[in-house]
Amino acid sequence: SQTIHQWPATLVQPVGSPLSLECTVEGTSNPNLYWYRQAAGRGLQLLFYSVGIGQISSEVPQNLSASRPQDRQFILSSKKLLLSDSGFYLCAWLTGGNGYTFGSGTRLTVV
Amino acid sequence: QKEVEQNSGPLSVPEGAIASLNCTYSDRGSQSFFWYRQYSGKSPELIMSIYSNGDKEDGRFTAQLNKASQYVSLLIRDSQPSDSATYLCAVTQGAQKLVFGQGTRLTINP
Repeated sequence: SQTIHQWPATLVQPVGSPLSLECTVEGTSNPNLYWYRQAAGRGLQLLFYSVGIGQISSEVPQNLSASRPQDRQFILSSKKLLLSDSGFYLCAWLTGGNGYTFGSGTRLTVV
Repeated sequence: QKEVEQNSGPLSVPEGAIASLNCTYSDRGSQSFFWYRQYSGKSPELIMSIYSNGDKEDGRFTAQLNKASQYVSLLIRDSQPSDSATYLCAVTQGAQKLVFGQGTRLTINP
């Protein structure tokens, strides 16, 4: 079966600390993968997407970066977190013509 | 103008009534349209997709699409308290991306 895993579920990090969020998918090959962020009470903002290994498209300039080291692995990183990086981070993959399937999300609080 | 617009609500509907959620989009080239439900603190889950003009029904849910008016709606019949959630409209942009509205918060009152 096709599943998407995202971890950790919650994270509290101090300002200026690094960040690494990981997303992996199972049961599919060469998926399109996406990172979204949802600020409190807001909609989903597309941060990055990837159509293949090493291929990253950035949607919003910021202090975050993404990498795709393996076909089914997508990583979101930051060298130095800002308070404004707090939010709910969601990984998703494009399930053919039927929209996205989302991971369970990581709630990041920068303090 | 935002690419996908929804009334943020909150929308309050009595139990058993019809809830009507609306969405407009700006990209006339969009081909696929989706409604997601998001419970508080959870990730969105797909509940309806629609690709051609008209109505599409799935159980208590009906999606309606009017490409000429760039308008998508979701009707929920016989609303239940468990339908209380935020509903996100999403529209394709190009072949690979979805653009989301800000969501409408729906509350079903017993």
